[in-house]
Amino acid sequence: DQQVKQNSPSLSVQEGRISILNCDYTNSMFDYFLWYKKYPAEGPTFLISISSIKDKNEDGRFTVFLNKSAKHLSLHIVPSQPGDSAVYFCAASVPENTDKLIFGTGTRLQVFP
Amino acid sequence: DTGVSQDPRHKITKRGQNVTFRCDPISEHNRLYWYRQTLGQGPEFLTYFQNEAQLEKSRLLSDRFSAERPKGSFSTLEIQRTEQGDSAMYLCASSLGLNYGCTFGSGTRLTVV
Repeated sequence: DQQVKQNSPSLSVQEGRISILNCDYTNSMFDYFLWYKKYPAEGPTFLISISSIKDKNEDGRFTVFLNKSAKHLSLHIVPSQPGDSAVYFCAASVPENTDKLIFGTGTRLQVFP
Repeated sequence: DTGVSQDPRHKITKRGQNVTFRCDPISEHNRLYWYRQTLGQGPEFLTYFQNEAQLEKSRLLSDRFSAERPKGSFSTLEIQRTEQGDSAMYLCASSLGLNYGCTFGSGTRLTVV
């Protein structure tokens, strides 16, 4: 069973506009959520995270929102830049092991000029 | 320290052969993880070390797979009697376990022919 779901396999956004990537989860025991970015032929790179006790975390152009009641989180990128084009993975972990990550299947973001 | 290093980057092997991959984590990181990623999927957890102790193994890790981390430094992942279904990207990651996210290597892409 897929505990972390990214239902949009791809997203195309114009440069300068907002990119919104979505993620749903099923396990209420998850207490930490992360977003990773992956370029071809490279490993995933940590982008931003949020603890389950918060509903928002912001880092520059990147903001992650968490809605625990809906078991939903989203990553907002504003403004989007062509260099943001990559595959974005949502991941979650449980308190017993914060780095044992359960990943979603990823969303490929393309930012066009 | 240039991050997490994995060797080789690519490996093509014939079915039934044994292969071994190496991971050199960030030197001060005491936690080391192996993940596997197949096409269209997110990384899947395989196993985890804290220092030299292997603390958890996924049921994805069949008896043909073995991982070691002697002296709590580099780690090796060996696959015996490879099968075509073993073809995947094998990712290594390391961390301090402080909710800062894992640092991933670039991976070893295994192709079993």
